[in-house]
Amino acid sequence: QKEVEQNSGPLSVPEGAIASLNCTYSDRGSQSFFWYRQYSGKSPELIMFIYSNGDKEDGRFTAQLNKASQYVSLLIRDSQPSDSATYLCAPPPGDNNNDMRFGAGTRLTVKP
Amino acid sequence: DGGITQSPKYLFRKEGQNVTLSCEQNLNHDAMYWYRQDPGQGLRLIYYSQIVNDFQKGDIAEGYSVSREKKESFPLTVTSAQKNPTAFYLCASSAYGGFTNTEAFFGQGTRLTVV
Repeated sequence: QKEVEQNSGPLSVPEGAIASLNCTYSDRGSQSFFWYRQYSGKSPELIMFIYSNGDKEDGRFTAQLNKASQYVSLLIRDSQPSDSATYLCAPPPGDNNNDMRFGAGTRLTVKP
Repeated sequence: DGGITQSPKYLFRKEGQNVTLSCEQNLNHDAMYWYRQDPGQGLRLIYYSQIVNDFQKGDIAEGYSVSREKKESFPLTVTSAQKNPTAFYLCASSAYGGFTNTEAFFGQGTRLTVV
């Protein structure tokens, strides 16, 4: 069973600041990760996918994967109040065990 | 439009009653999942299925049952054995195998309340 740990927060940052969200994971075989955003009362939606060491940038979002340290992060630059949500990370379903388990999620609040 | 549909959006259950939550997808995905979410908590895996007529227990399967008779459908029954069923239930589907293009697509959720 793949274990994913997240700091559940809450994390509060002022508008315009950088928000940093982190996950650590136990499965050394994990090749990639998804980041999802979940607004209160809504279902999660995919915002980023990273499958190699290093950084991947998409607009104000940057995902970082460090396989040696078993660590994946999401940076949100120029944070906006609309970024206030819970952010979930998850490895993709594996070939041998097609479950999909999520970290507990980090609740982010961006204050105007 | 392709997507995943859950129904009903709100459901009320009386004590000792079984209820079934519907989940249908037209994304041609092999894998389907059921999660439970309590207020302020993360997603906990109830059951998942990789192919038709096969499914596995997740972390909190007690008091729940599922079936996968068709690729498109993965209904969840909350039985009377589930003593605290009030929660937000999410169904998801994904492509199977590999590590790309396997992101989860979620339904809009069913909010179940015991009355």
